Amino acid sequence: QQQVKQSPQSLIVQKGGISIINCAYENTAFDYFPWYQQFPGKGPALLIAIRPDVSEKKEGRFTISFNKSAKQFSLHIMDSQPGDSATYFCAASIGGYGGATNKLIFGTGTLLAVQP
Amino acid sequence: GAVVSQHPSRVICKSGTSVKIECRSLDFQATTMFWYRQFPKQSLMLMATSNEGSKATYEQGVEKDKFLINHASLTLSTLTVTSAHPEDSSFYICSALRESGYTFGSGTRLTVV
Repeated sequence: QQQVKQSPQSLIVQKGGISIINCAYENTAFDYFPWYQQFPGKGPALLIAIRPDVSEKKEGRFTISFNKSAKQFSLHIMDSQPGDSATYFCAASIGGYGGATNKLIFGTGTLLAVQP
Repeated sequence: GAVVSQHPSRVICKSGTSVKIECRSLDFQATTMFWYRQFPKQSLMLMATSNEGSKATYEQGVEKDKFLINHASLTLSTLTVTSAHPEDSSFYICSALRESGYTFGSGTRLTVV
């Protein structure tokens, strides 16, 4: 129940295209769903996060779509650029947004390559 | 914004020795910090949760006597890999929790030779 399943494992997108990465979870107690971007040899950096009381959140070219009933959430990267080439991780936690102490569970990661 | 500094970024040590990795929250106080381990092309696996002033909580399968965690202040947590072996070679990443979410350090590449 603590798992977060992520797909696809890898993704190739043309410059200017839309990158879509999907995640699914089982534990309905999760209430914080962030997406992280990681470059080789670096720690993950927060891209965008959502709570289950909203169905969509957009920040610049990045959008999270959240489907509470299906227990799924996805990251959409609009107008994908070569600089977006990185590994993307979804994650989930209970109370991670608001000062609680629960741990963050990561998805398996998606290696995105944006071709020029 | 919130910054977490991790040091060193890279370390090579001989088999059988110990190595300490530091994780500092530079502009905020972190009651809770987390330590992760990441193998090449894999996800981040939580090793332990570090709480200031108390013992760390280790995930199942993580040897607490091998991976010593100390969180002596609200801005510093350390991970010591004791009696390191080549199989301990990995990328270690810390994270600190604040009200706005989790902030990650830049990671430490440990190579045991």
